[in-house]
Amino acid sequence: DIQMTQSPSSVSASVGDRVTITCRASQDISRWLVWYQQKPGKAPKLLIYAASSLQSGVPSRFSGSGSGTDFTLTISSLQPEDFATYYCQQANSFPPWTFGQGTKVEIK
Amino acid sequence: EVQLVESGGGVIQPGGSLRLSCAASGFTVSSNYMSWVRQAPGKGLEWVSVIYSGGGSTYYADSVKGRFTISRDTSKNTLYLQMNSLRAEDTAVYYCAANSPFDPWGQGTLVTVSS
Repeated sequence: DIQMTQSPSSVSASVGDRVTITCRASQDISRWLVWYQQKPGKAPKLLIYAASSLQSGVPSRFSGSGSGTDFTLTISSLQPEDFATYYCQQANSFPPWTFGQGTKVEIK
Repeated sequence: EVQLVESGGGVIQPGGSLRLSCAASGFTVSSNYMSWVRQAPGKGLEWVSVIYSGGGSTYYADSVKGRFTISRDTSKNTLYLQMNSLRAEDTAVYYCAANSPFDPWGQGTLVTVSS
């Protein structure tokens, strides 16, 4: 199975900050990388698929990049509604689909 | 509007059984990959099982293989997860989700395995 590792596990940031989260796959997954956002008590929400394609309705301050084994999610200017936990997921070799352990974006 | 609504969660003793349901509206369950994903309290996301569109091939995470069974009822446009021989470590919120990448998701249903 492909292992996904996110860093950092948590990040403290202020409104307006630029935030970057990284995700590393244990083997080459091309661009088959997905990002989800999850708020407390809610289901995850699809943000980005195919490493850099923004899901419909997702604000343009979110962007994704990378290929192969290394990927990043960037929030260009953090907004109050962006405080949440973010998960990466590989969609290259499944089943099983595998997720990173999550990165919690907290208010500084 | 595309919507998934789970039900069937609750408190169950170790070794017991429970069946979760996921009712779909706005799309056809049998025409999509349908998965169950769980999240233990305070933990991350774990894919549990999938049933493919068309022929309906099924796959399971190693952690539930042999104990859980995924199925669908096309007449009811509903996905199910039959969970047998439940363990404490199966305690989690269980979400159904469509397609790959997973979208949409249901709101989740909590399963607590405890004596």
